[in-house]
Amino acid sequence: GAVVSQHPSWVICKSGTSVKIECRSLDFQATTMFWYRQFPKQSLMLMATSNEGSKATYEQGVEKDKFLINHASLTLSTLTVTSAHPEDSSFYICSASGLGSGNTIYFGEGSWLTVV
Amino acid sequence: RKEVEQDPGPFNVPEGATVAFNCTYSNSASQSFFWYRQDCRKEPKLLMSVYSSGNEDGRFTAQLNRASQYISLLIRDSKLSDSATYLCVVIGNNNDMRFGAGTRLTVKP
Repeated sequence: GAVVSQHPSWVICKSGTSVKIECRSLDFQATTMFWYRQFPKQSLMLMATSNEGSKATYEQGVEKDKFLINHASLTLSTLTVTSAHPEDSSFYICSASGLGSGNTIYFGEGSWLTVV
Repeated sequence: RKEVEQDPGPFNVPEGATVAFNCTYSNSASQSFFWYRQDCRKEPKLLMSVYSSGNEDGRFTAQLNRASQYISLLIRDSKLSDSATYLCVVIGNNNDMRFGAGTRLTVKP
């Protein structure tokens, strides 16, 4: 079945540095990818929606210059947290849908980011 | 008003019980509906899609009521392994995806 792979699963970085998270669709063409953030004991919060080859659409309150999203191919989207701070520590998850996903949205395994 | 609202929970039920969750949505043009299950510190996994005619998968039944703009999930004969957070997901006409806050279910022996 359709699979979405996310990498890295865990990352610890120093405050002020940038971190890149990758999201890959392994056996379907992900025309749309979503990025979410989830703080402990809270629901998933949509950060942005990206369509392949287009600029991402960010949700209100999400800084596009801080959370850079690139969706340059049908199988890969990246989220870069720039100048990370401790308050950016969270669980980041991507999801994808598209040709071959059976009109279903599949999630990556998630990435735990800790900024120290 | 939130775009997608779920029963607040938590639901604590004994094994074998039947439990139902509801989820209301505000966008009448919403097109697709899903129930996802999320275990602690894991990504959500698709439980089932929700169709207008209703659908059943073993102990799980999902229903959609477009007139009242809500979806429901019924779990029969609850198992300990059903303990998780259940998220309803609504896809709008602009392909935007909205989650409910999730309902935590704990099934106890």
